Amino acid sequence: VQLVESGGTVVRPGGSLRLSCKASGFTFNIYWLSWVRQAPGKGLEWVANIGKDGSEQFYADSVKGRFTISRDNAKNSVFLQMNSLRVEDTAVYYCAREVGATDRWGLGTRVTVSS
Amino acid sequence: EIQMTQSPSSLSASVGDTVTVTCRASQGVNNYLAWHQQKSGEPPKLLLYAASRLETGVPSRFSASGSGSEYTLTITTLQAEDVATYYCQQYYSIPWTFGQGTKVEIK
Repeated sequence: VQLVESGGTVVRPGGSLRLSCKASGFTFNIYWLSWVRQAPGKGLEWVANIGKDGSEQFYADSVKGRFTISRDNAKNSVFLQMNSLRVEDTAVYYCAREVGATDRWGLGTRVTVSS
Repeated sequence: EIQMTQSPSSLSASVGDTVTVTCRASQGVNNYLAWHQQKSGEPPKLLLYAASRLETGVPSRFSASGSGSEYTLTITTLQAEDVATYYCQQYYSIPWTFGQGTKVEIK
């Protein structure tokens, strides 16, 4: 099982960014996927998750209306579109697989929001 | 939102000791409770799920128990490689939430 995130970079406040996560080693379309972030020196914060066929999405209040999670089962990929970025969105963003519990994590991609 | 509170925030123990971490939820989570280990510079790793079920490949010195809103993680015979931060996570009610973490160090 592998989850490989990409797309993290430095972006200005108010800017947008799209993170990608490419999965391999398992049957992608039977699992919920999620994004979890970790601000520098802080704990883990669940951001969003998406159902097996993409028809259901849930978000943390802190990102609702600004972030959108989506998936492409044909490409074994999940995405996080982040708009109206704020300084407090600075974090390592992890892609994760859910089986109820979060059972597999990617290595993460770093997003820095700074002017 | 269910709040998860871990105690202690950090602990220092000797190799071979038994250590216990407690996780308290602001309401019952019906055993939908997982424990993750995060070593410095690495992503988290699932240790246990469903309150007490050991993930495949995790050493048996890790165990967990609890019910309702109170859960514990126990590491028996602490090893040097267990230095890490441990997080509880409830997956009973969205938004999933994590405890603030317990940092385990070797004395």
